[in-house]
Amino acid sequence: EVQLVESGGGLVQPGGSLRLSCAASGFTFSSYEMNWVRQAPGKGLEWVSYISSSGSTIYYADSVKGRFTISRDNAKNSLYLQMNSLRAEDTAVYYCASPKLVRFWGQGTLVTVSS
Amino acid sequence: QLVLTQSPSASASLGASVKLTCTLSSGHSSYAIAWHQQQPEKGPRYLMKLNSDGSHSKGDGIPDRFSGSSSGAERYLTISSLQSEDEADYYCQTWGTDVVFGGGTKLTVL
Repeated sequence: EVQLVESGGGLVQPGGSLRLSCAASGFTFSSYEMNWVRQAPGKGLEWVSYISSSGSTIYYADSVKGRFTISRDNAKNSLYLQMNSLRAEDTAVYYCASPKLVRFWGQGTLVTVSS
Repeated sequence: QLVLTQSPSASASLGASVKLTCTLSSGHSSYAIAWHQQQPEKGPRYLMKLNSDGSHSKGDGIPDRFSGSSSGAERYLTISSLQSEDEADYYCQTWGTDVVFGGGTKLTVL
């Protein structure tokens, strides 16, 4: 059974940093491209970032470019999102999802940016 | 620019059928999409991949009541024999350089 389990969310002050993790199991993680997708309270789904299976290709939404960094460790079956210079508008549930035409979703981790 | 357009809301009666629409932007009518369901207070759930020719492949455990079809730039999700648990937000999704989501359709089961 495919499982994606996010962790690392929490409350952080504006301007702060947070690192999200996504632990994958039940499939060959190293063969799959991965995404981070977020959902602000009461809003729709918003794609945040993409990383290819090898990690060689990376894309970001304009809203997070220069502040967020996606990475992966295929040996650990793990996906990461380093979030810096956080803003109130980054408050959302963050999901890891795979592949580009998403078939697998995690359960999400809540990030709250507030003073 | 690749854009997916969905109506914000839809409603249908218990036991009836409903057809939700997702429209691809001009020049992208050949793109496949995915449909996802998000029940209240839950995470998204993959329903199916839908190709431009109307062929579709559903996720594990998705009931036969859910089906997909296509016409030009339109991608449809039909839910028949509506049940109360079908009340949810439905999102279409595709990808070009970036991953793109439609704005979602909130389905109310009357």
